[in-house]
Amino acid sequence: DAEITQSPRHKITETGRQVTLACHQTWNHNNMFWYRQDLGHGLRLIHYSYGVQDTNKGEVSDGYSVSRSNTEDLPLTLESAASSQTSVYFCASSQIPGTSGYNEQFFGPGTRLTVL
Amino acid sequence: AQKITQTQPGMFVQEKEAVTLDCTYDTSDPSYGLFWYKQPSSGEMIFLIYQGSYDQQNATEGRYSLNFQKARKSANLVISASQLGDSAMYFCAMREEGTSYGKLTFGQGTILTVHP
Repeated sequence: DAEITQSPRHKITETGRQVTLACHQTWNHNNMFWYRQDLGHGLRLIHYSYGVQDTNKGEVSDGYSVSRSNTEDLPLTLESAASSQTSVYFCASSQIPGTSGYNEQFFGPGTRLTVL
Repeated sequence: AQKITQTQPGMFVQEKEAVTLDCTYDTSDPSYGLFWYKQPSSGEMIFLIYQGSYDQQNATEGRYSLNFQKARKSANLVISASQLGDSAMYFCAMREEGTSYGKLTFGQGTILTVHP
């Protein structure tokens, strides 16, 4: 079965360190997204990609970067981790408009990141 | 301005009764989609139901239905015959097709507790 996976599921790091969160999907979806979830804010979009070599900034992109070298993966990098980036991070994917999979965005299980 | 507003931080319902979770939205895009997701205590995001702005009928998926009132810009989720397993956080989200292709904007969520 197709799926979307994230690793690690839990991560503790120190302020100033670079951290990369992995996201891998086997749906063959063109669209991929990274969100963060914080109490009182719901989920907010960090970065997104519409295909290989395409990346775009979302609502809360400062301090984060992504790269898309293939269809399946969209790693999220925290360049220099800050305590304000302690959060739960979700990766998601969806199909393109006009396809049956467009009206559902599939989410990974999430990564809980703690920055000390 | 908030694009998605969920005014009920918490809701309680008796098992087997129906419950309505409120969601209002704000957009000038004539083409948009509305989504509801369930997040149980285990943390995963589970897609429940989708409604397109041009859909004439309210969406239904099993015990879930979306009460779509376009003029009022509301997209309330109705859960019929509540079950203990329905206890979770529920998020309303919107996708604006003209300006936010593929991207979801989420509300802050409503915690639903089902009492036996």
